[in-house]
Amino acid sequence: AQSVTQLGSHVSVSEGALVLLRCNYSSSVPPYLFWYVQYPNQGLQLLLKYTSAATLVKGINGFEAEFKKSETSFHLTKPSAHMSDAAEYFCAVMGGQKLVFGQGTRLTINP
Amino acid sequence: DTGVSQDPRHKITKRGQNVTFRCDPISEHNRLYWYRQTLGQGPEFLTYFQNEAQLEKSRLLSDRFSAERPKGSFSTLEIQRTEQGDSAMYLCASSLMGTQETQYFGPGTRLLVL
Repeated sequence: AQSVTQLGSHVSVSEGALVLLRCNYSSSVPPYLFWYVQYPNQGLQLLLKYTSAATLVKGINGFEAEFKKSETSFHLTKPSAHMSDAAEYFCAVMGGQKLVFGQGTRLTINP
Repeated sequence: DTGVSQDPRHKITKRGQNVTFRCDPISEHNRLYWYRQTLGQGPEFLTYFQNEAQLEKSRLLSDRFSAERPKGSFSTLEIQRTEQGDSAMYLCASSLMGTQETQYFGPGTRLLVL
């Protein structure tokens, strides 16, 4: 069965600093991987997805993620954090037709 | 192209009451999903439809829960005899069937059972 683990339930960075949110996956088949962002009291918005094309995936709002099969990882990065990036971030893997989500990482941006 | 919409956005009910939520998917999408998200957790899959057929149900979906998509367009999720443990955000998503499909989420319905 597919699963994801997000390391760190809470990450805090300064405005302008590098953002790194960690995700490791487990999958018996080549995975389809996703990062979603959730702002308070809202649904989930797709940031980016990996579907076995390029291993470096660029998404919206300056985010990108790199698929590393050897490390079973799909970490999310952004070179320079902005206050508007404060939100909850979820990594997910496609399991059959459904998404299997991690526990989420709350990103806080310090001014 | 309007996104996925859900109604109501918030629902407060008393334990034992029945509640029904509605989801309108993106118009050309033939797959529709329901997820539940409790506080501090990631969403968990409940069920999904392809057109009007309900193809998969999670073990989380007890017999108090029922979902329908009668004409392959909007869907309803009903919870009978609500319990306090049903308090959660109920999220709907839709996608267009095919490889590498992406699920687009609605804003959710937040349920509070008193």
